Amino acid sequence: KAGVTQTPRYLIKTRGQQVTLSCSPISGHRSVSWYQQTPGQGLQFLFEYFSETQRNKGNFPGRFSGRQFSNSRSEMNVSTLELGDSALYLCASSLEVRQEQFFGPGTRLTVL
Amino acid sequence: DAKTTQPTSMDCAEGRAANLPCNHSTISGNEYVYWYRQIHSQGPQYIIHGLKNNETNEMASLIITEDRKSSTLILPHATLRDTAVYYCIVRVASGRGSTLGRLYFGRGTQLTVWP
Repeated sequence: KAGVTQTPRYLIKTRGQQVTLSCSPISGHRSVSWYQQTPGQGLQFLFEYFSETQRNKGNFPGRFSGRQFSNSRSEMNVSTLELGDSALYLCASSLEVRQEQFFGPGTRLTVL
Repeated sequence: DAKTTQPTSMDCAEGRAANLPCNHSTISGNEYVYWYRQIHSQGPQYIIHGLKNNETNEMASLIITEDRKSSTLILPHATLRDTAVYYCIVRVASGRGSTLGRLYFGRGTQLTVWP
């Protein structure tokens, strides 16, 4: 069974731009969560989706948004990029909410 | 979700057992202990989880104390590829709760396995 896939793997943007990251969960998994990882803050929870509904949201500004499609694939969007948004963005999927999560390789975003 | 305390770093000789401790003194009765690890620049990898009984799988063993206030992850025969940051996380795995499925990652333990 294929693992969680994330595209693109690397991305370079400039301040003020927006970006969309994609995540395809493991087949059959219905819950998708997103995390941001930076050297200073570590791994921080962004949001969680289940059956196309956002179930939980972390403490991030409204510039960060996401959605989940009927096939469980998910996207997250960051608008008006700031230098501090440079990070590794990780997606994780699980069969149901609260079960063990399996992470993708991440998307490395660099904002110049 | 309960907070956890882990040592910042540990090292271990290749082939020996690596015992990684975790304190979670405020754990609630319905919270499970999860372990993940993250090899540099990769996504975290699920290792094992348990409620109160000791658990073992092909990767590791999890020993939870009787009062559930601490646990130890054991890698029985550490290899160089086990060098990673290991995260101990406690969270509710079923039932109602505002935190739902989110994982709270602390700073973890940097395990270095040396030849």
